[in-house]
Amino acid sequence: DVKVTQSSRYLVKRTGEKVFLECVQDMDHENMFWYRQDPGLGLRLIYFSYDVKMKEKGDIPEGYSVSREKKERFSLILESASTNQTSMYLCASSFTGGTYNEQFFGPGTRLTVL
Amino acid sequence: AQSVTQLDSQVPVFEEAPVELRCNYSSSVSVYLFWYVQYPNQGLQLLLKYLSGSTLVKGINGFEAEFNKSQTSFHLRKPSVHISDTAEYFCAVRVNTNAGKSTFGDGTTLTVKP
Repeated sequence: DVKVTQSSRYLVKRTGEKVFLECVQDMDHENMFWYRQDPGLGLRLIYFSYDVKMKEKGDIPEGYSVSREKKERFSLILESASTNQTSMYLCASSFTGGTYNEQFFGPGTRLTVL
Repeated sequence: AQSVTQLDSQVPVFEEAPVELRCNYSSSVSVYLFWYVQYPNQGLQLLLKYLSGSTLVKGINGFEAEFNKSQTSFHLRKPSVHISDTAEYFCAVRVNTNAGKSTFGDGTTLTVKP
């Protein structure tokens, strides 16, 4: 069974802390994505990566950075957490081509910044 | 760039009634279309997808959707809903030439009442 795992389901951090959210997929997918989900706003793309060490900004990259040193792992970094980054964070992965081009999602990390 | 509009943010319906969740998209090139479902406190999972061929696609849990190119729509339907269908539903579009990035709608919350 295909799997995308995220390091934490719930996380509470303080303003100004550096926060790491980790995502691992076991499907050998080229593409990986980080979204944040807020009520009424749907999914907004923060960053995505289409290969190891490659990254592109999504729609809302400000305040975030990413790292992809290995194909299976994609990390989201909040350099200095702020209260407006309290949200649900979803990681996803996908193949580039073929018929299996939907995204597979992790369970999400609900981050609260106090 | 492509965009997705889900026309209803909330759809309340009684158990065993039919339901339609509406999705319109815009794109200047060919697209792939997806519907995902998100149950409470979980990530998204694929319901169904349209890549090419027959415009009526069937998915899991008795859902189906029809691709209408002239109306640029991809509405989701189920003839008889269950309480367990209560969830948030997302329509997504992906340009078939890019690296796998999808654009998501804002979501429709389906609430099935007894």
